[in-house]
Amino acid sequence: QVQLQESGPGLVKPLQTLSLTCTVSDGSISGGDYYWSWIRQPPGKGLEWIGYIYYSGFTYYNPSLKSRITISVDTSKNQFSLNLSSVTAADTAVYYCARGAILGTYDYWGQGTLVTVSS
Amino acid sequence: DIQMTQSPSFVSASVGDRVTITCRASQGISSWLAWYQQKPGKAPKVLIYAASSLQSGVPSRFSGSGSGTDFTLTISSLQPEDFATYYCQQANSFPYTFGQGTKLEIK
Repeated sequence: QVQLQESGPGLVKPLQTLSLTCTVSDGSISGGDYYWSWIRQPPGKGLEWIGYIYYSGFTYYNPSLKSRITISVDTSKNQFSLNLSSVTAADTAVYYCARGAILGTYDYWGQGTLVTVSS
Repeated sequence: DIQMTQSPSFVSASVGDRVTITCRASQGISSWLAWYQQKPGKAPKVLIYAASSLQSGVPSRFSGSGSGTDFTLTISSLQPEDFATYYCQQANSFPYTFGQGTKLEIK
């Protein structure tokens, strides 16, 4: 079955750019109608949808974060990535990558990676 | 954005109890709703999609119902492994949004 794994720094300084990569295994990013997505969860809080990328490169971002987000895909590496610029302490969260299926359901998730914004 | 409101935020119950969690959308979302279970330190796991369809591998004690703006998740007979936090998520329109969560605790 499909597996997703996040990777990237666990600590980012304020005003710098948070960069994470999600590696997909046992399944192709280019195969099927899936929305490859990022979702985050601040410690002790609920889930916030960040955005998605389709294998073609089409993206949709949460308007609340749109000015700071870039999501990209590298189909040759079976990876997609998140860049979030000008971070503040409010961006401290567990970041998940997940596969969104055609009915809008997230059926496969990475284990999550905690990113702390602190000087 | 579509706002999703769950109730209650906390529920205390015993093994064998029947539990119902409610999710209300700020506007109609047809049947574009999913339910997730999350345990501490783990990623969410989908239980129900399209409001009432059981995800493969999920026990049949979980069921979902509703359409439009009002939805419910029912656990017919609580098992020890069901104590977790539950989230609803609307998939009607982007940006997708989640409810604030319902924490199910052992009484």
